[in-house]
Amino acid sequence: KQEVTQIPAALSVPEGENLVLNCSFTDSAIYNLQWFRQDPGKGLTSLLLIQSSQREQTSGRLNASLDKSSGRSTLYIAASQPGDSATYLCAVMEYGNKLVFGAGTILRVKS
Amino acid sequence: DVKVTQSSRYLVKRTGEKVFLECVQDMDHENMFWYRQDPGLGLRLIYFSYDVKMKEKGDIPEGYSVSREKKERFSLILESASTNQTSMYLCASRILILQGSPNKNTEAFFGQGTRLTVV
Repeated sequence: KQEVTQIPAALSVPEGENLVLNCSFTDSAIYNLQWFRQDPGKGLTSLLLIQSSQREQTSGRLNASLDKSSGRSTLYIAASQPGDSATYLCAVMEYGNKLVFGAGTILRVKS
Repeated sequence: DVKVTQSSRYLVKRTGEKVFLECVQDMDHENMFWYRQDPGLGLRLIYFSYDVKMKEKGDIPEGYSVSREKKERFSLILESASTNQTSMYLCASRILILQGSPNKNTEAFFGQGTRLTVV
């Protein structure tokens, strides 16, 4: 059974810092990996999707990498801002079309 | 923009009531999902669907059923609501991926969530 782990569970950083969120998965038989952001009490907003054949994707200050063979992905946030404070979730899409989520990393950026 | 719309943001129901949570998407996606989210447990898959009238159990289907009569609508049904079903419910949709089919845009899109309280 696919298991997705996110480290750290929570992170507090001062504004302006660059930071890395980690995601690992146990079964490399995936179509893609997607990073989401969730604000308190809200739904999930898609940030980046990496196909299994890709190594990385970039959107603005966000960069996500994927190493499928080792079962790892990282989300890099450059020059963090207080508005980046949220929960960040990664999810893998298995061959059975199921999306399996990690528990998330709660990020707080202090001004 | 893809839109996934859940019928209610907040819902309060009594124990034993039959509860319907509705989800509608406007992108002709085959795949639709229902998750519940609880503190410390993350998102857990309840049911998902490949197409109209097709459904598959997820990891925690007990106490729930689903209906997919039209492609754009996926309903979650709590046959007899209980207090342990108090939770945030999230609906998602995406294109169905066929093995060997190089779909480009395979993002999953989520609704805004329904906070259900059973009293």
